[in-house]
Amino acid sequence: GDSVTQMEGPVTLSEEAFLTINCTYTATGYPSLFWYVQYPGEGLQLLLKATKADDKGSNKGFEATYRKETTSFHLEKGSVQVSDSAVYFCALSDSWGTALIFGKGTTLSVSS
Amino acid sequence: GAVVSQHPSRVICKSGTSVKIECRSLDFQATTMFWYRQFPKQSLMLMATSNEGSKATYEQGVEKDKFLINHASLTLSTLTVTSAHPEDSSFYICSAKERQTYNEQFFGPGTRLTVL
Repeated sequence: GDSVTQMEGPVTLSEEAFLTINCTYTATGYPSLFWYVQYPGEGLQLLLKATKADDKGSNKGFEATYRKETTSFHLEKGSVQVSDSAVYFCALSDSWGTALIFGKGTTLSVSS
Repeated sequence: GAVVSQHPSRVICKSGTSVKIECRSLDFQATTMFWYRQFPKQSLMLMATSNEGSKATYEQGVEKDKFLINHASLTLSTLTVTSAHPEDSSFYICSAKERQTYNEQFFGPGTRLTVL
């Protein structure tokens, strides 16, 4: 079945460092890909998404490009802030738009 | 737009009691709602999918008699944890999908259930 694999955390960075969180997927058909962020004690918020190959999703300085050839959707940010500390989930939705399949999440901790 | 609320945000109950969690789409009609369970420091696991006016579809390993889901209207779904036990303690999150947005889901803030 479909699955999502994220890099293990936690990721600890200093403010203004470059961030990459790797995400790869296995899916049949043409899934849509998402990054969600969960701040402590809160629910999930959509960070960005891409619905087809070569699409780039971007929001709040974060970017991810849908790479079909490598089945990847890595999350990047050029300069992280303390406020970016959260858990980040990569997810996919199949071609039929059914429930999301999540990766295990990556905890990011940014210190000043 | 596209706001989903959950109530209560936290609940503590005694073992053997039942707890109802509400999930509401505040400004859109949700044709489909999903219920997820999240264990500490782990990912979200889909429990069930509910479509308005029909029975919920449960994922393998989820007891439908234990976790009762009702999607009575286009803006409300409820999850009832019956005869709760300490192992049911978890973070329960719902999400809702609009008719118009093909595959984007909007998440509620979650409900922290603690069973003593």
